[in-house]
Amino acid sequence: QQQVKQSPQSLIVQKGGISIINCAYENTAFDYFPWYQQFPGKGPALLIAIRPDVSEKKEGRFTISFNKSAKQFSLHIMDSQPGDSATYFCAKAFGNTPLVFGKGTRLSVIA
Amino acid sequence: EAEVAQSPRYKITEKSQAVAFWCDPISGHATLYWYRQILGQGPELLVQFQDESVVDDSQLPKDRFSAERLKGVDSTLKIQPAELGDSAMYLCASSLNNYEQYFGPGTRLTVT
Repeated sequence: QQQVKQSPQSLIVQKGGISIINCAYENTAFDYFPWYQQFPGKGPALLIAIRPDVSEKKEGRFTISFNKSAKQFSLHIMDSQPGDSATYFCAKAFGNTPLVFGKGTRLSVIA
Repeated sequence: EAEVAQSPRYKITEKSQAVAFWCDPISGHATLYWYRQILGQGPELLVQFQDESVVDDSQLPKDRFSAERLKGVDSTLKIQPAELGDSAMYLCASSLNNYEQYFGPGTRLTVT
């Protein structure tokens, strides 16, 4: 399976700060890039997703930025809160193919 | 809000025993996926169904794993015999439009 390279592996952010997680992919034949949030012992929950025909998508405090030429996309969490502490996964897909996930970023937001 | 249901939530079994997991997708979702997630890693696909047909089972260890979705609704994933390396979270997801996938709570399997 073609991988998605996700960084950093772990991240500590002060409450109110900006959390930034990056992902890079190799093949351009993908047209859907979602981010999932997973709390311990729970299944991943779809957070926000983007198609490559737009460069940015914002939903509340969460923003995806997409750089097609660099084959990179990132998640920004503005005004990070302790309740945002979770593991975040980027993923990619094409059509109805299964999602290919990154290895995850464990975010800790401290007060 | 509709959710993907999975059972059991936790399962402890001895190696060489058989184990089965059940998934009920969101109503109307034709596509169903089984993923395996090892602690500290992202989920990896085991098998994908479109209605009752297998679309992709290339990553399913077929010597010990089997999956079925007989009526195109709920699905069962079986492992026989279980091995120590099978200890993981088994996640079921479903999709209506083949893009947005919604995951269930998972079954945490521990093989002793």
